[in-house]
Amino acid sequence: QVQLVQSGAEVKKPGASVKVSCKASGYTFTGYYLHWVRQAPGQGLEWMGWINPNSGDTNSAQKFQGRITLTRDTSISTAYMELSRLRSDDTAVYFCATGEPPNDWGRGTLVTVSS
Amino acid sequence: QSVLTQPPSVSATPGQKVTISCSGSSSNIGNNYVSWYQQFPGTAPKLLISDNNKRPSGIPDRFSGSKSGTSATLGITGLQTGDEAEYYCGTWDSSLSAVVFGGGTKLTVL
Repeated sequence: QVQLVQSGAEVKKPGASVKVSCKASGYTFTGYYLHWVRQAPGQGLEWMGWINPNSGDTNSAQKFQGRITLTRDTSISTAYMELSRLRSDDTAVYFCATGEPPNDWGRGTLVTVSS
Repeated sequence: QSVLTQPPSVSATPGQKVTISCSGSSSNIGNNYVSWYQQFPGTAPKLLISDNNKRPSGIPDRFSGSKSGTSATLGITGLQTGDEAEYYCGTWDSSLSAVVFGGGTKLTVL
């Protein structure tokens, strides 16, 4: 079955960067877009961007452009989301999800930004 | 402020039917497929409806989706206390070149 295993919780200081990983199994990694969606505490879902694991092409929400880097390593079926210049309002659970529309989701990675 | 508009909350009693609306525009709902997600606290969203009205394998037929113009609706019949959750609509926005979600609707089964 499809599994997306995300890296563990992170605590970062404002201005730092965070890199979250998402290891896929149970399907052809290069066959489906991989999305990143975040959810701030008590808030709704916010789409951040996607990567085409086959080509490496990416698309991100305008809000994050310049701060987000989406990459993948096909040799280990893993996608990465790096967010730079972190602020306190970047505190959220970050999900990876695959499918079109996103059907299978990781369990989320809590990123806390605090001084 | 979300691009798609959902009511913040709806409520109904067990066994009843409830509908959740999702309003958008021609750049999103009007010209793209709508999906619906169910989310319980502390868990990842679960896809309930794709392509406006298609249920993935394993989703009971108590859940249904429809779309008309720039609005979409999620229907849930035979409500159960286990349906208490947050529900989100989502779609592609051609103007923003982005996936957009509604703000979420909290369903309370009284």
